[in-house]
Amino acid sequence: QQPVQSPQAVILREGEDAVINCSSSKALYSVHWYRQKHGEAPVFLMILLKGGEQKGHEKISASFNEKKQQSSLYLTASQLSYSGTYFCGTRERTYDYKLSFGAGTTVTVRA
Amino acid sequence: DVKVTQSSRYLVKRTGEKVFLECVQDMDHENMFWYRQDPGLGLRLIYFSYDVKMKEKGDIPEGYSVSREKKERFSLILESASTNQTSMYLCASRAFPGQKVYGYTFGSGTRLTVV
Repeated sequence: QQPVQSPQAVILREGEDAVINCSSSKALYSVHWYRQKHGEAPVFLMILLKGGEQKGHEKISASFNEKKQQSSLYLTASQLSYSGTYFCGTRERTYDYKLSFGAGTTVTVRA
Repeated sequence: DVKVTQSSRYLVKRTGEKVFLECVQDMDHENMFWYRQDPGLGLRLIYFSYDVKMKEKGDIPEGYSVSREKKERFSLILESASTNQTSMYLCASRAFPGQKVYGYTFGSGTRLTVV
């Protein structure tokens, strides 16, 4: 079951913040976040495991609320290099090999 | 760094042709995956392989098959290409869940056009 991401797109000026949400109707074991720049492969940013932990990558951080089956990605003080499409990938069970990906959120950061 | 290499960046094939998309990874990863990426739909799983010669259907396996004879190579086969299989195809690999590195490593993709 594919998770639902929101918003579909966001436009920011450099230095602004944004939040991307990822929610599932099923209980989750872990959530991955990836960023894909135009014409390139998606790149792994971070993984969050069951337990409500928070992680960071540069000034990008994320949280995972397992009770609500949702994760949020926080882009803080955005830079031009943050532009791209962000995907969340969810895993439902510990023994699952596969991820189900959301439709993506396109982030455009302007100078 | 782990590298996942897809043999073709762009392919144009005719309806009804048998098409092979090749993917090779160089880090001894157990798991390999084929996704297709379409605008507004994100990445959808076609097939995956959790070990050599082992494969499982993903969410949209119809019209596709796979082969994994060697650990490093995972091939996606379109038995009889159709125009609705025009898409970007992404291959990915990862170490077995439970090892330290969990994230997927993706290839650069193959943009397939079926005419």
